[in-house]
Amino acid sequence: QVQLQESGPGQVKPSETLSLTCTVSGGPIDSYYWSWVRQPPGGGLEWIGYAYHSGSAKYNPSLKSRVNISVDRSKKQFSLSLNSVTAADTAVYYCATDARTGTTDGFDVWGQGTLVTVSS
Amino acid sequence: EIVLTQSPASLALSPGERATLSCRASQSVSTYLAWYRQKPGQAPRLLIYGASNRASGIPARFSGSGSGTDFTLTINSLEPEDFAVYYCQHNTNWPSFGQGTKVEIK
Repeated sequence: QVQLQESGPGQVKPSETLSLTCTVSGGPIDSYYWSWVRQPPGGGLEWIGYAYHSGSAKYNPSLKSRVNISVDRSKKQFSLSLNSVTAADTAVYYCATDARTGTTDGFDVWGQGTLVTVSS
Repeated sequence: EIVLTQSPASLALSPGERATLSCRASQSVSTYLAWYRQKPGQAPRLLIYGASNRASGIPARFSGSGSGTDFTLTINSLEPEDFAVYYCQHNTNWPSFGQGTKVEIK
């Protein structure tokens, strides 16, 4: 079954770019929409966006101007880039997918999450 | 933008009791509604999709109902691992989550 693992820096300076990678194992990268979801400390879940292997992507309108999600099929990875970060971007970042249907109707596969702190 | 509002914000119950959680959408989402349980320090786990379908490996004590704008997650006979935070999520336009309901031990 599909498994996901996030990687990337645990701390980013204000105004810089947050970059994370999610490695896919146990299944094809060509079949699903690959999402990022974040959760601030003590807060709720926020969907950031998704990318498809073809290169198409969709983003949360509230973050759209700062986000890019891309897929590297050769490495079986997908990546998140969030620029101009502030303390409000401090959160646990999860990669996730709906491996049941290949849509976004219900995320049944999640990475373990990685905490990113925005601080100088 | 479709907003999901969950109620109550928190719920205090004893093991073995039934929990009834509500999720209301600001516009119809048909049956494109999922429920998750999140234990402290863990990623969310999908419980219900399509408003009423249990995900793989989810026990029968979890059931979902509703369509349009009003949805319910029922947990019959709470187990110790069920004391957690529950989120609903829709997939109309883009995925969006409710703010969560915390089920606490009474």
